[in-house]
Formats: sequence, C-alpha cells, structure tokens
Amino acid sequence: DAGVIQSPRHEVTEMGQEVTLRCKPISGHNSLFWYRQTMMRGLELLIYFNNNVPIDDSGMPEDRFSAKMPNASFSTLKIQPSEPRDSAVYFCASTIRGGRGEKLFFGSGTQLSVL
Amino acid sequence: GESVGLHLPTLSVQEGDNSIINCAYSNSASDYFIWYKQESGKGPQFIIDIRSNMDKRQGQRVTVLLNKTVKHLSLQIAATQPGDSAVYFCAENLPKLSFGAGTTVTVRA
Repeated sequence: DAGVIQSPRHEVTEMGQEVTLRCKPISGHNSLFWYRQTMMRGLELLIYFNNNVPIDDSGMPEDRFSAKMPNASFSTLKIQPSEPRDSAVYFCASTIRGGRGEKLFFGSGTQLSVL
Repeated sequence: GESVGLHLPTLSVQEGDNSIINCAYSNSASDYFIWYKQESGKGPQFIIDIRSNMDKRQGQRVTVLLNKTVKHLSLQIAATQPGDSAVYFCAENLPKLSFGAGTTVTVRA
C-alpha cells in the first residue's frame, strides 16, 4: 500500500493567490482528516470527513479555507486568497472509522510558504 | 476546554538508556489514546495505542502506561537508539482526536 499521498510536497506562493492542496487516502479508508502544523500552535485539526461527508469543520480558520471530498479517493483543501499567516505544514490523514478508536495514517505533508 | 498536554517539551537521553515521555489528558471520557512519532520532514507515525480498559500495553521496545485516576499517559522506550530521535505526540480520542504539543527527544551518542 502506498499510504496517504499528498501533493504538492512543497508550495511557495504569493499573498493573495489561490492554493490547492491534494490528498489521496489509503484505499478502503472511509475517514479523512486535514491537519495544520505550526511551531506556535502544534497540530490543529481543520476538518474531517466520514464517507466523503464533512462532519466537523470547526477547526477551519475562516472562510478563506474550504475543503472538498468528491469521492472516496480524493480530497482537496483550498485557500483563497492565501495570506502569510497560512504558512504551515498541512497534513492529510485517513483511517477506517470502525469505532471510537482512531488510528490515523498520515501523509508526508505539504509545506506551504506564503510570501 | 479539553486539551492534551505534555509535561516536558524536550528530553535528552543517552543512547542505550530508557526514555520516559509523559502526557496529561483532560477529558475523563476519552477511552482511546495513541502515541505518535514524528521525524523531521515527515508526517506523524503511529507507535502504539491503548484503550481505557487497560493499564499497560507493550510493543516492540515501547510500553504505554495509562493511569486513569490522574489522567496520565506515559511512553517508555527501552534501550533508546539514535533512530528514536523525534518529536513524540500523545493523543486522546474525545471529543475528537486531539494532539498534545509534543516532546522532542534527542538521543546522545
């Protein structure tokens, strides 16, 4: 299994530009999570999906952030317009949500730098 | 609000010694806990988990201890190796999976 696949690995953009991060979860997993990691705030849960449906988006910072999961094998996190404070590592994770245990499998992350 | 915290942000350990990383959790309803390891430039990687009906669980060179009375979790690494240098996170499952700040473990040769 290839694991959770994220792209791009690195993204450098200018303030005001649209940024789209992509994630392919592990095949067979039905829950997908987007996290953001910074030195100041650690790992923050932004949003998660069960069976392609957004369940909790309370961690999404503001309306500039949006996430979609059009099918079981693909999700996007979009920032429009981007700001320097959005600079962080963004992780996608997936799991089989069979109960109250949530062993997440993380991708390698996207390092986003907004100049 | 609920939070998962770590007692120490850094730990320096001599190669070959045992390491103990501590974690406090705040939600008494949490019934599942996980330890993750994150190496530089990589995503967090699952190490070991434990459910609240257990006090101890052992893996390969790692042991997790759970004390529900004081809401404390610890990760013990036996015979620490250079490859164990990383940031270690604990996580609790309720109300939603949330991570502590992390402990940076540095192994001295």
